[in-house]
Amino acid sequence: AQSVAQPEDQVNVAEGNPLTVKCTYSVSGNPYLFWYVQYPNRGLQFLLKYITGDNLVKGSYGFEAEFNKSQTSFHLKKPSALVSDSALYFCAVRDKGTGANNLFFGTGTRLTVIP
Amino acid sequence: GAVVSQHPSWVICKSGTSVKIECRSLDFQATTMFWYRQFPKQSLMLMATSNEGSKATYEQGVEKDKFLINHASLTLSTLTVTSAHPEDSSFYICSARGASLAGGQGDTQYFGPGTRLTVL
Repeated sequence: AQSVAQPEDQVNVAEGNPLTVKCTYSVSGNPYLFWYVQYPNRGLQFLLKYITGDNLVKGSYGFEAEFNKSQTSFHLKKPSALVSDSALYFCAVRDKGTGANNLFFGTGTRLTVIP
Repeated sequence: GAVVSQHPSWVICKSGTSVKIECRSLDFQATTMFWYRQFPKQSLMLMATSNEGSKATYEQGVEKDKFLINHASLTLSTLTVTSAHPEDSSFYICSARGASLAGGQGDTQYFGPGTRLTVL
């Protein structure tokens, strides 16, 4: 069975500091991994994904994530946080092995960047 | 590219009435569309998956007769909440995935902006 864990409900970081939002996953086969961001009363915006290839994936707005197979993690990072990065972040996984189309989402992490 | 729209963005209705929500892929053909429901401060719950021209596949616990999904074309899917009740009040979000998308984006789901339904 597939699952995604985002261990932190809330992450606070000062503007200009690096940020990390954690995600671990569990799948039976190889994963497709995604990060999405949600602003208040809005749908999800795609940030980045890992399908295959380089473990370090770069995405929109300066975000990047590193796929770590041994730790089954896909943490989201940014070198210098902006106040405008404050939002709700979701990690999601799709199991390549099952052929299923749907994504399994984590419970979300609310990021607050303090000016 | 890969834009998904939803209409309406919000709707208020009386208990017992039906509400239809549209999801459109504006610049790509969506071979698969997904409907999610999100409760306040919670994650997305997948309700159903639909492929163009075929019946939707509903997740366990989702009433197919209450949440009618139609995916009649490659750019449009509709969710109809029939005989809505206050407990159906929620944020409904659709997403679309298009196998024809270039640049390896066929694996990515693109989300609509959501529809907030309030049933009085």
